[in-house]
Amino acid sequence: AQTVTQSQPEMSVQEAETVTLSCTYDTSESDYYLFWYKQPPSRQMILVIRQEAYKQQNATENRFSVNFQKAAKSFSLKISDSQLGDAAMYFCAYRRDSNYQLIWGAGTKLIIKP
Amino acid sequence: NAGVTQTPKFRVLKTGQSMTLLCAQDMNHEYMYWYRQDPGMGLRLIHYSVGEGTTAKGEVPDGYNVSRLKKQNFLLGLESAAPSQTSVYFCASSPPGTGGVNTEAFFGQGTRLTVV
Repeated sequence: AQTVTQSQPEMSVQEAETVTLSCTYDTSESDYYLFWYKQPPSRQMILVIRQEAYKQQNATENRFSVNFQKAAKSFSLKISDSQLGDAAMYFCAYRRDSNYQLIWGAGTKLIIKP
Repeated sequence: NAGVTQTPKFRVLKTGQSMTLLCAQDMNHEYMYWYRQDPGMGLRLIHYSVGEGTTAKGEVPDGYNVSRLKKQNFLLGLESAAPSQTSVYFCASSPPGTGGVNTEAFFGQGTRLTVV
């Protein structure tokens, strides 16, 4: 069965600096999708970035980028120029290509220091 | 664009009471899901549906029932609430997962349920 591990329960970063959140996963599949979701205090789950496993190029979305290491089964999220609005819980999630179910990590709480 | 809407947003139940959570999506998605979120844990799948009239069990289905009579609606029922069901419940929807880049799930705003 697939599992997703986020080993950092909490991270803090100074405003305007860069922070990297870690995620590792375990799977025997070759085709799958990986996601990072943000959950601010409002509770809303917001998609931050996604990566298709068959793509070697790392996904980027403005200040957010990933370091996808398929062989190592690692999918870290880098946030550049951190802003106060980035403070939230961040969840890493895995989905099989031919399936529907998201497998979630336990989350990392990101604190932004002004 | 409403997206995914959950009703209600908050609820307090007494042990043994029943209730139904409603999820509605206006994106014509085939797949719908109910998750629960507990402190220190990732979301866990309760039940899901791959189309109108279909439902299936997820990771933690005990104590819950679901129905998908219309494509746009997915209902989660608690027949006899227990304190262990105190949680935040999320509904989500997505298009089918095969062959497409638009495979992410869209979430409702969550329902905080407390069972006393």
